[in-house]
Amino acid sequence: NAGVTQTPKFQVLKTGQSMTLQCAQDMNHEYMSWYRQDPGMGLRLIHYSVGAGITDQGEVPNGYNVSRSTTEDFPLRLLSAAPSQTSVYFCASSYSTPSGGAVSKNIQYFGAGTRLSVL
Amino acid sequence: GESVGLHLPTLSVQEGDNSIINCAYSNSASDYFIWYKQESGKGPQFIIDIRSNMDKRQGQRVTVLLNKTVKHLSLQIAATQPGDSAVYFCAEKASGTYKYIFGTGTRLKVLA
Repeated sequence: NAGVTQTPKFQVLKTGQSMTLQCAQDMNHEYMSWYRQDPGMGLRLIHYSVGAGITDQGEVPNGYNVSRSTTEDFPLRLLSAAPSQTSVYFCASSYSTPSGGAVSKNIQYFGAGTRLSVL
Repeated sequence: GESVGLHLPTLSVQEGDNSIINCAYSNSASDYFIWYKQESGKGPQFIIDIRSNMDKRQGQRVTVLLNKTVKHLSLQIAATQPGDSAVYFCAEKASGTYKYIFGTGTRLKVLA
């Protein structure tokens, strides 16, 4: 059981380049989300998905796109990278949508992160 | 090196002592709260959670206390060990939403 897998672990981009951060989970979780983490700040939600074919914006969605064609995968696309997108990106998933279910079923499991630098 | 964690409040405790990490949450409509631990270079790891209909929940060596009156959450770690050194985050979620709001974190340093 691999849990939540993110690739790549590190990436350096030039301003204007595009790329896709991959996230896959093997726990059959319905809910998946992407966060960015910047120094001195907590995790900020970029986009999330409550199931295949359903996505929605989080707190800081600008400059990022997502899609959810399968339950397992939730890629994050940077269309035109900017230095302000230099950050550590985390993908997370959980068993059930956060608004219902048993207490412990709402736990989000995180990947190890992707450290992105945009020059 | 680890860039996340700059400018974080830091709690230093002696090994074997108890630790108390505090968190003030912002939304009175939040009904679910989680504490996460993040070690250097790793993703956040679940520690313990609590719903708003509870005041206290205990796990193995950890206790979470919730005071809804003052919108305050605390994490107590008993007999703190060197392996507890990490950044600790609280997160809140409002009823009917899918969005978690994370606090900025507290760095716990365990002194030998």
